[in-house]
This record gives sequence, structure tokens and C-alpha cells, in this order.
Amino acid sequence: GAVVSQHPSRVICKSGTSVKIECRSLDFQATTMFWYRQFPKQSLMLMATSNEGSKATYEQGVEKDKFLINHASLTLSTLTVTSAHPEDSSFYICSATGGSLDSGNTIYFGEGSWLTVV
Amino acid sequence: QKEVEQNSGPLSVPEGAIASLNCTYSDRGSQSFFWYRQYSGKSPELIMSIYSNGDKEDGRFTAQLNKASQYVSLLIRDSQPSDSATYLCAPLSNSGYALNFGKGTSLLVTP
Repeated sequence: GAVVSQHPSRVICKSGTSVKIECRSLDFQATTMFWYRQFPKQSLMLMATSNEGSKATYEQGVEKDKFLINHASLTLSTLTVTSAHPEDSSFYICSATGGSLDSGNTIYFGEGSWLTVV
Repeated sequence: QKEVEQNSGPLSVPEGAIASLNCTYSDRGSQSFFWYRQYSGKSPELIMSIYSNGDKEDGRFTAQLNKASQYVSLLIRDSQPSDSATYLCAPLSNSGYALNFGKGTSLLVTP
């Protein structure tokens, strides 16, 4: 089946630095990718939706200048956490789909990336 | 985001029993619903989807949907210890793309 790969799976960075997380669709063209954040024992919270070649749509309360999303190709989206702080430590998960789910497409999740800011 | 309510649990059932997981949602426009299983520290994996009112069976899993009551449930028959995980209810948003996740119900199947 289709696979979505996320990298790195775990990253530790110093407070104030930036970190980039990659999300790749390995065997299908991902027209739409999603970035979620999940704190311990909490639900997945949608951060933003990105379509290839256009600006990401951010959910209310998510700072677009802090969480930079680039979806430059049909197989790659990146999330850059800029000027990271300890409160940004979380599990970041991407997902991807080749079309709308109510048209029979499936959404595939990456393995997730654990970010720890020290 | 639209509200998706799930009992956080933990729901504890003995091995071999039926586990019943419930979910209510606030967005009356939701037409498609997905159940995901998430093991600790891992990303969600799709169990099944349901689009029409009624029951949908897939192996040991049965999803039930009642759009009038804005209620969707997941039954797991012959529960196994390996079913112990958090189960996430996810209605599809009106855009047809994004999923709105509940907080999930933690299920513990005891041997």
C-alpha cells in the first residue's frame, strides 16, 4: 500500500533554533498534505493543510510565521518550527492524500516526529 | 475545529469480550467517518470508514452510524490484548479533506 515517510523520527534541538521535518509520499502523488500536532494524552490537532504549489491554510491559533510549511512538490511537504521553545515539544504527524476522502481517496499518515526542545 | 466527543476511558474489557467505543460529533454536515487506532508513541492507523447510516462490518470490527443522532460507534468482537490502544473517531470536515479527531478512548484488553 501507499506509504508516507516522515523524517526525522526524533529530534532534539536547542531553544531558539529552527528544525525542519520532512514528509514524503513514496508511491503516490499527494495533492494535499496535513500537519498535526499531538501533545501527550491529547488528540491530534490539525495545524495546517497544504496543497502542492500553493500557500498552506493554517488553523485558527497556529502561527504561520512560526510553523513554516512548504509543499513544493507532489511528494514532499516540510514543516519548519522556527525559534523553537520547550512548549513546542510535541509529536508532529503528517498525512497525505491524492484527493478528497469523500471521493474514495484514502488518507495516509506518516510515522510521526518527536520534537524535544531543550 | 468542530467538536468530537469521546469518553477518554480507560475502557477495560476481558479478552474475548466485546468492546464498545462511542463518539458524538457536532458538525451536522459531516458525511464520512473514520475510526483510527493509535498505539502509544505511534501515528494513527485506519481501522475502517463508514459513510451511510447503519452498520458496517469488517472482520471483528463493526462501525455503526446514526447521522440523526450525530453518533458513531465501533464494536470490537473477540477483543484481544493486541487491541489495547487508543481509538480515535474522526469525522471528515466539510472540505472533504481534513479529519477532525476526537481525543480518543483508551482501550485495555486484559488477558
